[in-house]
Amino acid sequence: EADIYQTPRYLVIGTGKKITLECSQTMGHDKMYWYQQDPGMELHLIHYSYGVNSTEKGDLSSESTVSRIRTEHFPLTLESARPSHTSQYLCASSGGDSTYEQYFGPGTRLTVT
Amino acid sequence: KNQVEQSPQSLIILEGKNCTLQCNYTVSPFSNLRWYKQDTGRGPVSLTIMTFSENTKSNGRYTATLDADTKQSSLHITASQLSDSASYICVVSDRGSTLGRLYFGRGTQLTVWP
Repeated sequence: EADIYQTPRYLVIGTGKKITLECSQTMGHDKMYWYQQDPGMELHLIHYSYGVNSTEKGDLSSESTVSRIRTEHFPLTLESARPSHTSQYLCASSGGDSTYEQYFGPGTRLTVT
Repeated sequence: KNQVEQSPQSLIILEGKNCTLQCNYTVSPFSNLRWYKQDTGRGPVSLTIMTFSENTKSNGRYTATLDADTKQSSLHITASQLSDSASYICVVSDRGSTLGRLYFGRGTQLTVWP
């Protein structure tokens, strides 16, 4: 089992609140990713990072922001949560081997009321 | 456009039976294809990974095949168990960037009944 962790696992929060979803990995991977997944739908890449101080937006436009100050930590922040942000958020990391294997965390199920 | 299509969308089988899930892709240039298992409320876990030169890969009761010419893959599950109930996702990686961009299918939701 991969050593990648996400907290909280479940979060129910009111509209307008600021939230931070935590993601950490202990594998020393350079590349990290955030995906958004709605029920029955494919994963969509919303942010990624090649390493410390590197952050890029993914394919799916998102109002969230990320930071990468430490190799092992890749938090995602929503400044003002809205019901449209309700979704599952999955964090992943990759060691950059030739297969680009990505290891996923357990996910955070976010509900904005 | 790089796409991954899976069928069927959902499948119900009885415990002990076999089943086969299908995946068609248009991702180019192709690097590798993986099958992930995703339990409800969990992150995906890799089952198999195949590169261009491989046409079959097994992991216990899971056997994946790849036809790079027709851009098709299948995942065969033998002697299904209740714990096989999950979403099975086909994921294709391209060679076009150092990021290792992954393209995800929507998954096949498998339910195994006792």
